[in-house]
Amino acid sequence: SQTIHQWPATLVQPVGSPLSLECTVEGTSNPNLYWYRQAAGRGLQLLFYSVGIGQISSEVPQNLSASRPQDRQFILSSKKLLLSDSGFYLCAWRKRRKNTEAFFGQGTRLTVV
Amino acid sequence: AQTVTQSQPEMSVQEAETVTLSCTYDTSESDYYLFWYKQPPSRQMILVIRQEAYKQQNATENRFSVNFQKAAKSFSLKISDSQLGDAAMYFCAYLGGSQGNLIFGKGTKLSVKP
Repeated sequence: SQTIHQWPATLVQPVGSPLSLECTVEGTSNPNLYWYRQAAGRGLQLLFYSVGIGQISSEVPQNLSASRPQDRQFILSSKKLLLSDSGFYLCAWRKRRKNTEAFFGQGTRLTVV
Repeated sequence: AQTVTQSQPEMSVQEAETVTLSCTYDTSESDYYLFWYKQPPSRQMILVIRQEAYKQQNATENRFSVNFQKAAKSFSLKISDSQLGDAAMYFCAYLGGSQGNLIFGKGTKLSVKP
C-alpha cells in the first residue's frame, strides 16, 4: 500500500532563518506531488506541484521554492523565512491517471517568530 | 486560470437533518474532475466524493451526494442524516485534465448540533 510521510510535524523558526520541509511517498512510482499552505481559518493554497523529477510548477510567487531530487521526494525550502510564511503546510501525492484523488500527509505547522 | 469558489464560510445543521454545501468553479476546459474533501479537527484531509465532468450522473457515496450542474459550473455537496462526526471543514477541489494541478476552494466550516 502507498504511504506518504511528511516531517517535521511542528516547527518554530525565527524570521530570517532557512526552511526545509520534506515529503516522501512509498509504494508507488511517478506520482504527481503537491505542496499546499493553509493559513489559519483559510483554504488550501497550491504552492507547487511536480509531475516528475526536476519538474516544478510554481503557482504563487513567494519566498518559497520546491525541489524534487528523487521520484518520490518533494522538498519545500526557503532561504530566509518571513512572518507571513507561518501556516500549516500539506504535502500530497496522486497517481498520474486523471480521475485519481490526492492523498495527503499529516502536515507541518510552521510558526515564524 | 481555474478558480474554485465556496461562498459559505460557515454552515450549521441539526443532527439527522440534511445540509447542502455550495461550490462553483471557473474553467475553460471540458475535461476535468471535481472532488469534495473533509478536514476534521485532526487536519487530516479525507476524500468524501468525486465527480468526472464527462459523467452526467451525480455521484453518491452513502449519505453524501453531489448536484453537478456542468453548464452552470456548480458542484454542491449534500449531506443527509447529518451526524456529529460530519463536523469539519469541507473543501471543494478542481483537477484540470491538461495540467494536473489540483485547486481548492477556501472551505466551508460545518457544525452539527446535537
